[in-house]
Amino acid sequence: DQQVKQNSPSLSVQEGRISILNCDYTNSMFDYFLWYKKYPAEGPTFLISISSIKDKNEDGRFTVFLNKSAKHLSLHIVPSQPGDSAVYFCAASAQETSGSRLTFGEGTQLTVNP
Amino acid sequence: KAGVTQTPRYLIKTRGQQVTLSCSPISGHRSVSWYQQTPGQGLQFLFEYFSETQRNKGNFPGRFSGRQFSNSRSEMNVSTLELGDSALYLCASSLVGFTNEKLFFGSGTQLSVL
Repeated sequence: DQQVKQNSPSLSVQEGRISILNCDYTNSMFDYFLWYKKYPAEGPTFLISISSIKDKNEDGRFTVFLNKSAKHLSLHIVPSQPGDSAVYFCAASAQETSGSRLTFGEGTQLTVNP
Repeated sequence: KAGVTQTPRYLIKTRGQQVTLSCSPISGHRSVSWYQQTPGQGLQFLFEYFSETQRNKGNFPGRFSGRQFSNSRSEMNVSTLELGDSALYLCASSLVGFTNEKLFFGSGTQLSVL
C-alpha cells in the first residue's frame, strides 16, 4: 500500500525553465510534508517542507504547494539549473505518530539540460 | 560538526549470512532512524530509536533488528539474508525525532546479497 506516490519516475527540463514535480498521498492523517533531494552515492538532503495549515511555502528558487482536498503536493523549481539534476523524494508524516517516521514516495529523477 | 556516518559503505554477503550495519548520528542528536532504499520503491521505513528504545517500527520481518547505545550510535542487523535484501540502507538522525523535524541522512551502506 503506497501511501505516498510520485507517478513520474523521470522529468527532463531545459536550464532556466520551470521544473514541476508532483506527489499524491492517500493517508488523510498526514499533516507535514517534506521534499528531499538525492545525488548518487550520497544520502538524501532536506530541501523544503510544508505544514498542512499552509498551502504554499517558498524558499528561494523552490516553492512547495499543498492541495489538501486533492491530497496533492507539488514542488516548483524556478529557474532550473543543471546542478538541480538529482532524484527528488516527497515524504509525509503524521502528528499522531510519536517520534520520527517518514513515508516516502518512489522518487522522481530530474534532469536539467544546459 | 560532523554529519551522519555510516559504516561500511559497501558490503557483499551471501544468502543465509547475517550482517551488521553501523550508524553514528550527528553529535547531540538522540533520534536515529533506518530506511531501506530499493530501485523503484523509494525509501521504506525500518525503525526509529530514541534514548536506546525502539519507538517506531516499519513493516519488515523480524530478521531486521536494531539497537541504540547510550551514546546514540545505532546498529541494525539483518539475519538469514535473502537476495531481496540487496539495497541501500540509510540511517538518519534528528535532535529528538519530532514529526516536523528534518532528518539528516548518512551516505548509506550498499548491501549486495549474492
